[in-house]
Amino acid sequence: QSALTQPASASGSPGQSITISCTGSSSDIGGYDYVSWYQQHPGKAPKLMIYDVNNRPSGVSNRFSGSKSGNTASLTISGLQAEDEADYYCSSYTSSRTLVFGGGTKLTVL
Amino acid sequence: EVQLLESGGGLVQPGGSLRLSCVASGFTFSSYAMSWVRQAPGKGLEWVSTMIGSGGNTYYADSVKGRFTISRDTSKNTLYLQMNSLRAEDTAVYYCAKELFNSGWRRFDYWGQGTLVTVSS
Repeated sequence: QSALTQPASASGSPGQSITISCTGSSSDIGGYDYVSWYQQHPGKAPKLMIYDVNNRPSGVSNRFSGSKSGNTASLTISGLQAEDEADYYCSSYTSSRTLVFGGGTKLTVL
Repeated sequence: EVQLLESGGGLVQPGGSLRLSCVASGFTFSSYAMSWVRQAPGKGLEWVSTMIGSGGNTYYADSVKGRFTISRDTSKNTLYLQMNSLRAEDTAVYYCAKELFNSGWRRFDYWGQGTLVTVSS
């Protein structure tokens, strides 16, 4: 199972919106509404930000939103803040009954 | 408060074995699927294995199938990962993670602090 494809890096200024893409195939993202997004700060464990494409767990800011079109999922962060600077990973359930992560996107807040 | 505490990592030679443990607290351990996710130094996340809360169904990444075994002891609220035939590419921080809901197993809402496994001669 190949990793999902994410851009290696992204950047934006405080207050701006940014979208990170995650591309897979019909065997994972395209076949299921089971995409999650995680935020990871250096040296810390990942944090669940979005699950099942567009749902936020309790306590996650509504500045974070998710969507999906075909084989590509997206995470949008609106009103960028300095604390949003982190690595972001997507994941998807697959037809092989496994889970696959994206390679990660390093977000820089300028 | 949900807590996950991993242990058992360390330095092991190629071909060796290691057993990781993850002690859970703050939730009904037997009701939730639990997983192991690893992260090689400076690299991204890689799902390793999942065990369903009830029924015991298990799932493995192709990279570890046949070498790693996931198990759980509900009387001790502990998740295990038995790792055999270890390779250099298994070097990583290993996290245990809890499923968000008491059904399914694809959404990890709590993670441990991780335990480092280094495979080297």
